[in-house]
Amino acid sequence: AQSVAQPEDQVNVAEGNPLTVKCTYSVSGNPYLFWYVQYPNRGLQFLLKYITGDNLVKGSYGFEAEFNKSQTSFHLKKPSALVSDSALYFCAVRASGSARQLTFGSGTQLTVLP
Amino acid sequence: ETGVTQTPRHLVMGMTNKKSLKCEQHLGHNAMYWYKQSAKKPLELMFVYSLEERVENNSVPSRFSPECPNSSHLFLHLHTLQPEDSALYLCASSQVLPGAANPGYEQYFGPGTRLTVT
Repeated sequence: AQSVAQPEDQVNVAEGNPLTVKCTYSVSGNPYLFWYVQYPNRGLQFLLKYITGDNLVKGSYGFEAEFNKSQTSFHLKKPSALVSDSALYFCAVRASGSARQLTFGSGTQLTVLP
Repeated sequence: ETGVTQTPRHLVMGMTNKKSLKCEQHLGHNAMYWYKQSAKKPLELMFVYSLEERVENNSVPSRFSPECPNSSHLFLHLHTLQPEDSALYLCASSQVLPGAANPGYEQYFGPGTRLTVT
């Protein structure tokens, strides 16, 4: 079975400061990892993914994520937060042997304070 | 816009009503999904259709009935729902290669239907 943990329900950060949203995973075999963002009254929007290769993945809106196999983590980061980054962030994982099932975490609400 | 539309955006229904949710994707994808999103819970995958054939049904109660008439349209028919079924219902689509040759594919989501069962 595969699972995703987002240990923080809420993350607050001041505008201009770096932000980190944490994600750890459990999966058999090689993981495919994803970050999605959800703005109020909207569906989930794809941010970035890790498939293979470089452990640092760059995505939309200046976000990046670092894959750490030994710590089974895939934390989302941004060097300088914007108020407009305030949203609900979801981490998700798919095992390499699965064509369809994507397991999501419970989400982390990011609030960037002006 | 992600290329996936859902109607209606909001729905209030009584427990004895019958209603349907509609999803349409304009991306040329071959797989479509229904998810349930409840507050502070992980997204729950309900149904998966690949090439218009239902390939996954995650123990969803029979009061939810999906229909996929073609690769661009997906419906969720609702009847005799319970108050605990109130949630945001999300539709998604993706392009899946035969034999799971591209497990790194991402899904594209619609804006959701906010359902309230009274």
